[in-house]
Amino acid sequence: SQTIHQWPATLVQPVGSPLSLECTVEGTSNPNLYWYRQAAGRGLQLLFYSVGIGQISSEVPQNLSASRPQDRQFILSSKKLLLSDSGFYLCAWTRGVAKNIQYFGAGTRLSVL
Amino acid sequence: DQQVKQNSPSLSVQEGRISILNCDYTNSMFDYFLWYKKYPAEGPTFLISISSIKDKNEDGRFTVFLNKSAKHLSLHIVPSQPGDSAVYFCAASANSGGGADGLTFGKGTHLIIQP
Repeated sequence: SQTIHQWPATLVQPVGSPLSLECTVEGTSNPNLYWYRQAAGRGLQLLFYSVGIGQISSEVPQNLSASRPQDRQFILSSKKLLLSDSGFYLCAWTRGVAKNIQYFGAGTRLSVL
Repeated sequence: DQQVKQNSPSLSVQEGRISILNCDYTNSMFDYFLWYKKYPAEGPTFLISISSIKDKNEDGRFTVFLNKSAKHLSLHIVPSQPGDSAVYFCAASANSGGGADGLTFGKGTHLIIQP
């Protein structure tokens, strides 16, 4: 069966520090991968998606970037965090057949202080 | 511009009764709709979906209804159980044929099941 892992679960970082969140999927190959953010009191906002290694599409201009160095690995990064980067970050993937049903990881709670 | 709207931030329902969660959308290109359930500090869990070629899809206690002319969908939970207490997100996508695009989510409705 397929599983998705995200870490860390919780992260507290000072303003101006770098960020690296990692997401990996097991049990499937060539998944579509997604990063979402849920800010306080808001819905889930799509940040990036990737259809293959090295292929990244950005949905919202921001202080963040994404990379896909391996087929089942998706990384969210920032060189310098802002206060507004605080939120709940979620990684998701889709199956090959029913591409529109996205399956989510447990999320990372990021607090920038 | 919010393309998927869940106008009720919270809903309280008595255990055993029917819970009805509503969702409206504005983008006519949306052709696939999903409901997710989310507990605090966890990722959303897929519940049920519906394609725009249907007007109803049922899975156990969960039924989703789609009214394309009104651009409205609803999730019915019957009977409601304490474990159903969670935040429910409505989501939509264009190109149900398998595009890579992400989902557009509403802000969620917090469902509280009262004993």
